[in-house]
Amino acid sequence: QKEVEQNSGPLSVPEGAIASLNCTYSDRGSQSFFWYRQYSGKSPELIMSIYSNGDKEDGRFTAQLNKASQYVSLLIRDSQPSDSATYLCAVLSGGSYIPTFGRGTSLIVHP
Amino acid sequence: GAVVSQHPSWVICKSGTSVKIECRSLDFQATTMFWYRQFPKQSLMLMATSNEGSKATYEQGVEKDKFLINHASLTLSTLTVTSAHPEDSSFYICSAPRGGDFHNSPLHFGNGTRLTVT
Repeated sequence: QKEVEQNSGPLSVPEGAIASLNCTYSDRGSQSFFWYRQYSGKSPELIMSIYSNGDKEDGRFTAQLNKASQYVSLLIRDSQPSDSATYLCAVLSGGSYIPTFGRGTSLIVHP
Repeated sequence: GAVVSQHPSWVICKSGTSVKIECRSLDFQATTMFWYRQFPKQSLMLMATSNEGSKATYEQGVEKDKFLINHASLTLSTLTVTSAHPEDSSFYICSAPRGGDFHNSPLHFGNGTRLTVT
């Protein structure tokens, strides 16, 4: 059973701070990792994809992958109230084309 | 811009009627699409995998005769909720992997359809 674990939160951070969202996965054969943002009542929106160990930056977002420790994280710098949403971690295992989603972490950025 | 289009965005229907939801890939061909359901404040639940030109693959516990899936072309998949009941009220979302290698491609989601059965 492939599992993707996320702390459900809510994670509350002040505006301008760094929000750190974490995700662990059980399948060592996982190859592709994705972060999605889902606003309340809306569908998920792809934020970032990461495939190799290390950091990947895109604007205020940085994804970090550590395959040895089986975790992937998302950092949001200079957090804004508009970043308040649920963040979903998704993992694709080798040989599969159906990603496994975590339950999501609720992020609240307060002014 | 959006790469997966889903219609309608919301629908209200009476108990016992059927509702069809369309999902289109806009600028790419999608031989595979996925249908999810999400209840309020709960996680995404994969209902079925829609395969162009063949039968859909349903997840355990999902009634294939109630949730009819048709993937008649490389850009269109439809989900029909037959004989809808209030407990079918939910947020239905389609998605498709965009990219040549499905094993590495992220899913792109439609905007979802909020179904309310009265």
